[in-house]
Amino acid sequence: EPEVTQTPSHQVTQMGQEVILRCVPISNHLYFYWYRQILGQKVEFLVSFYNNEISEKSEIFDDQFSVERPDGSNFTLKIRSTKLEDSAMYFCASRDNSGNTIYFGEGSWLTVV
Amino acid sequence: AQKVTQAQTEISVVEKEDVTLDCVYETRDTTYYLFWYKQPPSGELVFLIRRNSFDEQNEISGRYSWNFQKSTSSFNFTITASQVVDSAVYFCALTRDSSYKLIFGSGTRLLVRP
Repeated sequence: EPEVTQTPSHQVTQMGQEVILRCVPISNHLYFYWYRQILGQKVEFLVSFYNNEISEKSEIFDDQFSVERPDGSNFTLKIRSTKLEDSAMYFCASRDNSGNTIYFGEGSWLTVV
Repeated sequence: AQKVTQAQTEISVVEKEDVTLDCVYETRDTTYYLFWYKQPPSGELVFLIRRNSFDEQNEISGRYSWNFQKSTSSFNFTITASQVVDSAVYFCALTRDSSYKLIFGSGTRLLVRP
């Protein structure tokens, strides 16, 4: 069964460092998303991406964050200068053009120290 | 504004008991979609079900069933004959038709004891 894959599964980084989280969405999907979940809290929307541009972003998604689809398969989330409060599980998700179901990857756990 | 409320923060049952997880939502949209996701201890989000606002038919899938009632803005999830493997956090989520930005509830942690 097709699935969304994310790397790395866990990353520890020092405050102020840049981090890139990678995602390979399901191959025929056209809509891509990043969500995050701070430990013990609810899952929060960060950004949606379609047709090579951001279609919607939340107030969390400030100038420190960026997304990119550098080739036909990868979808990345970059955090330019990480802060302690960026420590969270980051989920990538994708949806196809006709379906209304959003499928999530297994998450990338980011720890900022 | 859209909102999802899962008032039960944690439920503990003994194996084989039935358990219902409540979900109440708020939206002004006439077209919307409701979801349930399971988050086991390993952390991933597993899709369970999607229901659109025009389909109030209840659904059963094995031991899982869902009761969607627009009149009370609820989309409750029942697990029949619970098993230890059902232990997880369950999230209810809502999205409007145009954006598919999921609004999650705070989740209900279900513990099924042997």
